[in-house]
Amino acid sequence: QSALTQPASVSGSPDQSITISCTGTSSDIGTFRLVSWYQQHPGKAPKLLISEVTKRPSGVSDRFSGFKSGNTASLTISGLQAEDEADYYCCSYAGRSTWVFGGGTKLTVV
Amino acid sequence: QVQLRESGPGLVKPSETLSLTCTVSAASLSSYYWSWIRQPPGKGLEWIGYIYDDGSANYNPSLKSRITISADTSKNQFSLNLIAVTAADTALYYCARANASHAFDVWGQGTMVTVSS
Repeated sequence: QSALTQPASVSGSPDQSITISCTGTSSDIGTFRLVSWYQQHPGKAPKLLISEVTKRPSGVSDRFSGFKSGNTASLTISGLQAEDEADYYCCSYAGRSTWVFGGGTKLTVV
Repeated sequence: QVQLRESGPGLVKPSETLSLTCTVSAASLSSYYWSWIRQPPGKGLEWIGYIYDDGSANYNPSLKSRITISADTSKNQFSLNLIAVTAADTALYYCARANASHAFDVWGQGTMVTVSS
């Protein structure tokens, strides 16, 4: 069970859009539509942003959207705001009652 | 709303056992995967394992030989035991709830555990 692959960092300017990729395998992302995304600010617990590839929990801004194609999932943040600066993690159910996380992506809003 | 709170020693000696408890408020231990997740300093998240409401549990294959997760429904708590710890087990340990969508929708605030003599 290997960690999902995310870029270490991405950056964008206010009001721009950015996309964070998350690459897995045919055993996890490729098989299950059970990809979730989390936002983590420094010193805070992760917060669920997206579940089941595209679904936003109540209270999460519609500026956050998810997508999946093949073994790769992605998170897009539109209309970047300073408060979006954080670490972002993808996660996939990997079958046999296991989960796997990505290594995390640091988003800088410049 | 549902709240989770981790508790346990912040310092564990190498080769000893790390034991943490997660207390669940405003919900019972039913119909969810009650999980442990850890984050080494400056690093990413790692899923450790879960216990389900029927008492079944499953663990990260890389840690499976050293982990036990159990639950005490009378106290609305679930616990993590990790044996034979090393410095590599130093991390911020979170308890979290995975829902029917297999997403972790509720998290504790985390508890830092340092393995050192």
